[in-house]
Amino acid sequence: QVQLQESGPGLVKPSETLSLTCTVSGGSLNNYYWSWIRQTPGKGLEWIGYIYHSGSAYYNPSVKSRVIISVDTSKNQFSLKLSSVTAADTALYYCARDQQVVTAQPAFDIWGQGTTVTVSS
Amino acid sequence: DIQMTQSPSSLSASVGDRVTITCRASQTIGNFLNWYQQKPGKGPKLLIYGVSTLQSGVPSRFSGSGSGTDFALTINTLQPEDFATYFCQQSYITPLTFGGGTRVEI
Repeated sequence: QVQLQESGPGLVKPSETLSLTCTVSGGSLNNYYWSWIRQTPGKGLEWIGYIYHSGSAYYNPSVKSRVIISVDTSKNQFSLKLSSVTAADTALYYCARDQQVVTAQPAFDIWGQGTTVTVSS
Repeated sequence: DIQMTQSPSSLSASVGDRVTITCRASQTIGNFLNWYQQKPGKGPKLLIYGVSTLQSGVPSRFSGSGSGTDFALTINTLQPEDFATYFCQQSYITPLTFGGGTRVEI
């Protein structure tokens, strides 16, 4: 079955760029939207943005000026880059698959296990 | 942004109980409402999408209802494995937004 696995540094310095990769195994990137979502005790779950396998991306306005989501179909991966990070970006980051193209009902049907990123000097 | 408000934020229940969690959207979202279950140390699991469609493999004791701005998740005959945190999420418009969660405790 399809599985997602996040990877990347667990510690990032303030003002630097957070970079994470999600590797998709057991399936293709085609015909799905792929999202990044983060979770904190204070703000709960926050959708960061998603990308279609073709490369079209949509971002949450709360981070739009700082975020880039990209896709590498040859590696079956998609990635998140969040620049100029602050302590407020400390969170548990998830990648997730959106099933909307298949079911006509958008929903995150598969999630990674999550990776914790701490922003600190 | 559409605000999603869940209630209660936590509840205590016993095995065998019937539990209902509500979710209210700050504006109408049609039937674009999903429910997730999250257990400690795990990513959320999709339970119900489109208000009331059960995701494959999810037990039939879970059900969803509602329309417009008011929605509910009901768990009939609570099982030990159902003690978890539940989130609603609107998929009507970006930015996609989640409720604050309801923790179901023993």
